[in-house]
Amino acid sequence: GNSVTQMEGPVTLSEEAFLTINCTYTATGYPSLFWYVQYPGEGLQLLLKATKADDKGSNKGFEATYRKETTSFHLEKGSVQVSDSAVYFCALSWDSNSGYALNFGKGTSLLVTP
Amino acid sequence: GAGVSQSPSNKVTEKGKDVELRCDPISGHTALYWYRQSLGQGLEFLIYFQGNSAPDKSGLPSDRFSAERTGGSVSTLTIQRTQQEDSAVYLCASSFIQGTEAFFGQGTRLTVV
Repeated sequence: GNSVTQMEGPVTLSEEAFLTINCTYTATGYPSLFWYVQYPGEGLQLLLKATKADDKGSNKGFEATYRKETTSFHLEKGSVQVSDSAVYFCALSWDSNSGYALNFGKGTSLLVTP
Repeated sequence: GAGVSQSPSNKVTEKGKDVELRCDPISGHTALYWYRQSLGQGLEFLIYFQGNSAPDKSGLPSDRFSAERTGGSVSTLTIQRTQQEDSAVYLCASSFIQGTEAFFGQGTRLTVV
């Protein structure tokens, strides 16, 4: 079935370090891919998305490229800030006439220290 | 409304009582999802509604859990005879159609004592 696998956390980085959170997916057809972020004490919010192969989603300095050849959607940021400390979820969604079709990874906790 | 609204934001209940959690999705969104998030855990899918189709209940953990969606809009998640292991944050999300991004509410934190 369609699913995502993301790297285990927690990830601890110093401020201004480079961030990569790996996400790979398994899917039939052409799903859309998403990164959601959950800041402490808050609900999930969409960070970025990509709807087809080679699309690059970007927001708040974060980027992820939908790579069909490696079935990946890795999240990157060149210089993290303390305020980026949160839990990040990779997700995929597909068009289905047979029920639920939105799957999330288990989440990766990121802690950025000053 | 502007976003997905959930109520109450916090609920403390005694073991064995029934609780109802409400979700008001974004107007015009046909897909509605319920998830459960336990402390430090990921998202556990519970139930999914799409338009007027029969809901996908495959994620409900037991028959104590049920949900309905009236008029294709507001949804209520009901937990009967609550147990301590039901303590979690219950998240609702909606999307315009399945396959597009889901927008989440702030969640209801349920504590069973």
